[in-house]
Formats: sequence, structure tokens, C-alpha cells
Amino acid sequence: QVQLQESGPGLVKPAQTLSLTCSFSGGSVTSGHYFWSWIRQLPGKGLEWLGYVYYSDTPYYNPSLKSRLSISLDTSKNELSLKLSSVTAADTAVYYCARATGATSSFDLWGHGTLATVSS
Amino acid sequence: SYVLTQAPSVSVAPGHAASITCGGNNVGSKSVHWYQQKPGQAPVLVVYDDSDRPSGIPERFSGSNSGNTATLTISRVEAGDEADYYCQVWDITSGHVVFGGGTRLTVL
Repeated sequence: QVQLQESGPGLVKPAQTLSLTCSFSGGSVTSGHYFWSWIRQLPGKGLEWLGYVYYSDTPYYNPSLKSRLSISLDTSKNELSLKLSSVTAADTAVYYCARATGATSSFDLWGHGTLATVSS
Repeated sequence: SYVLTQAPSVSVAPGHAASITCGGNNVGSKSVHWYQQKPGQAPVLVVYDDSDRPSGIPERFSGSNSGNTATLTISRVEAGDEADYYCQVWDITSGHVVFGGGTRLTVL
């Protein structure tokens, strides 16, 4: 059964870097025509796309976060990672990893999400 | 950047049909996808490519897309359909993903 599972520290101090990983099981991040993405949801708000990566291509980022964001694939670990630098309380959110099919550009597989809280 | 606009809320009585709209400039030229999100859960794809349903999604969920408006229609609404619904497109011009602001469906 294919699934995604996010993991991370849960609590990050302001001005530090938030690092999250997303493990993919039941397949390989290099197989098929898939784009691997991070999406977040601020408390009580809607979905915000952060960025995506295709394993052999340059990542695409949300312009509003591009200067602080890095998304990459670790093919040896079958993982997707996110690094968001200089975080503030406004970055407190549930962070989801998701897989988009190249054929349809829809997100057909989502992780359960992980809450990251920025607080001193 | 491309913008998708959704009404914040829609209410419907059980057994009736609900229509949730997603507005965007010439959105009819793009493929629109719809997600259902229940409280505390991750979103679930319910319609892709305007009107196709993933396996396991009831036929009560359907979609259409033309001009500046895409629509998700849920027929014979049930209490279990109460959730937030989001539309999404892939803006090929910029390579960016765009979500609508979401619509909360309330079943009366």
C-alpha cells in the first residue's frame, strides 16, 4: 500500500530553520511521472502550495516563500524534504507532503500532515 | 499570479444537490481538480481533470468547467459530505500550483 508519512520536530524557535521529511513507502520516488510537493495549512485557513520537485528537475517554489524555502528528494532514502529558514509564528501550520501525477497534475496521494509550531 | 475564487460557505439540506463554484480567468482552459477535507484530516481528491472521479469516490460527486467558472456538484447530499472543498489548478505559464480559498459545505 502506497503511503506518505511526514515527520519533524513539532516545535521550532523563531528565526531557526524548520526541517521536515516525508517518507514514501510502497514505491519509489523515482518511478513514474510524479511531482513531489509540500503544502501547508495555517490554523483555520486554506491550503497553501509551497513547492514541488520532480526527481530529475529543478524545484518550483511558491514565489512568496522562495527566498526561505528548499525542497529536495533523497532517492537513497526514498524521502522528500523541506527546509524553511528564518521562521516566525506566521509559519505555524500543518505541513502536508503530497504526490501529483504528471498526467493530470492532481494530488492523488497525501500524507496525514504534521503540525509545526513556531514559538520560543 | 493566477487566482481562484470560491465562496466561503454553502448550505444545503440533506437529499438536495450542492453546487460549489470556483472562479478564475478563463479557468475553462485549465484542468480543475477538487478536494474534500474533513476536520483533522488530510484532503482527499474527489474530482480531477474537471469531471473525472478517482476510484472509490461516489458517483454523486461530479464536476464541470467552462468559461470563467468550474463547478463541483454533489447530488443527494448526505451528512457525511459536510466538509471543506478546495479547487486547484496547475498554472502551466508559471509552473505553479494554485488552490482556491475553500468552501465550507454545511448540511442543514
